[in-house]
Amino acid sequence: GQQLNQSPQSMFIQEGEDVSMNCTSSSIFNTWLWYKQDPGEGPVLLIALYKAGELTSNGRLTAQFGITRKDSFLNISASIPSDVGIYFCAGRLNTGNQFYFGTGTSLTVIP
Amino acid sequence: NAGVMQNPRHLVRRRGQEARLRCSPMKGHSHVYWYRQLPEEGLKFMVYLQKENIIDESGMPKERFSAEFPKEGPSILRIQQVVRGDSAAYFCASSPSLNTEAFFGQGTRLTVV
Repeated sequence: GQQLNQSPQSMFIQEGEDVSMNCTSSSIFNTWLWYKQDPGEGPVLLIALYKAGELTSNGRLTAQFGITRKDSFLNISASIPSDVGIYFCAGRLNTGNQFYFGTGTSLTVIP
Repeated sequence: NAGVMQNPRHLVRRRGQEARLRCSPMKGHSHVYWYRQLPEEGLKFMVYLQKENIIDESGMPKERFSAEFPKEGPSILRIQQVVRGDSAAYFCASSPSLNTEAFFGQGTRLTVV
């Protein structure tokens, strides 16, 4: 199956700092999604991207669909304690049905 | 508009028993995905269904696992003769069509003892 490389694997930041994480693939995707998962819960959709170069914001979150269609980035500005969790990227191939998930970025925000 | 509903949230089964996991998609959604997640890992695709049809089951083990999404009622993921290695969180997601985002339920945590 497809491998999505997500980095960094974990981040420890001070409250108020900005956060950046990214996801790369060896294949071209036509959709990128970003999710946040809290312990014991299901993934919650944060942002959906459908076009190369697309830049979309959701509050303090901003995500971009890479020009090459093989990567995506998620930025969180002015982090707060409730941003703590695991962030997953997910992508779908042009010819595929399923979403492939990255390995996740664990975010810890220190008050 | 209720989200994706999965039940039960927690399920304990003895080795050899059957596990039935249910998923009711969001209203208006006719596409359902099932994923499995092991602790500290990402989500692995199992199967994709539309109403009454299995579209892609490439991620599902060939034996003991089956899925359905009948015309009426929830989607069911069925695991027969469970083994300890089946212990995991199973998530269902739904979408209104193929090329749109998918929304996840809260999952069913299966423990095989």
